Amino acid sequence: EVQLVESGGGLVKPGGSLRLSCAASGFTFSSYSMNWVRQAPGKGLEWVSSISSSSSYIYYADSLKGRFTISRDNAKNSLYLQMNSLRAEDTAVYYCASPAGTGVPYYFDYWGQGTLVTVSS
Amino acid sequence: EIVMTQSPATLSVSPGERATLSCRASQSVSSNLAWYQQKPGQAPRLLIYRASTRATDIPARFSGSGSGTEFTLTISSLQSEDFAVYYCQQYNNWPPLFTFGPGTKVDIK
Repeated sequence: EVQLVESGGGLVKPGGSLRLSCAASGFTFSSYSMNWVRQAPGKGLEWVSSISSSSSYIYYADSLKGRFTISRDNAKNSLYLQMNSLRAEDTAVYYCASPAGTGVPYYFDYWGQGTLVTVSS
Repeated sequence: EIVMTQSPATLSVSPGERATLSCRASQSVSSNLAWYQQKPGQAPRLLIYRASTRATDIPARFSGSGSGTEFTLTISSLQSEDFAVYYCQQYNNWPPLFTFGPGTKVDIK
């Protein structure tokens, strides 16, 4: 069974940093692209970033303006999101999500339960 | 960037009735369109991909149609567990620039 478990969320002050993690199990993590998707309270879904299986290709939503960095450690079956210069508008539940296949383009078959990031003074 | 719109924003339906949800893309996404269901406090769940293919374990009462810029999700006979928010998502861009619609909330009439 595929499992994606996010951690690392919490309360952070504006301008602060936070690192999210996503632990994957139940599939060959190193073979699949991975993604972060966020959802502000009471709002819709917003794609944040994607990373290819070998980390060769990395993409971000334009709105992030270089503040976030996605990475992965295939030896640890883990995905990360380093978030810097956090703003109130970054407050959201952050989900990691993955496709079930290795082709492109892809959609999100699997989702974690999410981790809440709150940016507030 | 491809902009996704959904209508209506809220759909009030009685159990057993049919629900029809619409999704429109600002430019053609071919058939690279997915639908997700999200219940309060839960992660989204994939329902439909490639515009009309049901994901694993999704009941046959859910069906998708359309291509290009106009898409529809139909729930043939609403069950109590189907009251939720539904999002469409295009995945036609490469490099990826996934975009979601704003969602349609299906609630009990």
